[in-house]
Amino acid sequence: DIQMTQSPSSLSASVGDRVTLTCRASQSITTYLNWYQQKPGKTPKLLIYAASSLQSGVPSRFSGGGSGTDFTLTISSLQPDDFATYFCLQSYSYPYTFGQGTKLEIK
Amino acid sequence: QVQLVESGGGVVQPGRSLTLSCAASGFTFSTYDIHWVRQAPGKGLEWVAVISYEGSQKYYADSVKGRFTISRDNSKNTLYLQIHRLRPEDTAVYYCARGQAGYEYLDYWGQGTLVTVSS
Repeated sequence: DIQMTQSPSSLSASVGDRVTLTCRASQSITTYLNWYQQKPGKTPKLLIYAASSLQSGVPSRFSGGGSGTDFTLTISSLQPDDFATYFCLQSYSYPYTFGQGTKLEIK
Repeated sequence: QVQLVESGGGVVQPGRSLTLSCAASGFTFSTYDIHWVRQAPGKGLEWVAVISYEGSQKYYADSVKGRFTISRDNSKNTLYLQIHRLRPEDTAVYYCARGQAGYEYLDYWGQGTLVTVSS
């Protein structure tokens, strides 16, 4: 099975900051990497698919990059609504696997 | 609009069985693979299973293989998850999610149904 490792596990940042979250796969998954945002008690929301494609309706301050084993999710200027937990998901092969999540908190 | 609505959760004793349902609307259900994902209280997301659009292919997480069975009824636009020999560690919110063809990402999710395994 492909293991997905996210870093950091938690991050404190301020409104307006630029932040970058990382997800690493245990083997190459080309660009079959997706990013989700989840707020407490809510359903996960798709932000980025295929490593760098922005899902319709998602603000352009979110961007994704990477290929192979190393991927990033960047928020160019944090807004109050962005404080949440972010998960990566590999859809390269079954069983799909999620990263453990990065909790983004207000500093 | 695309909607996925899970049902069937509740409090169940260890060792018992349970069937979850996911009713789909707003899209052509029979042309999409559908997934189950679960989330234990306060924990991360765990992918559980997937069934192909016509029902012939099924894949499971190692942690549930042999106890969980995914199925679908395209005539009813409904997905199912049978859970046998329930364990306390199966306690979680269970989500169904639509798989988008190509890169197979999960684009639409239901609101989830909570399964609590407790005596």
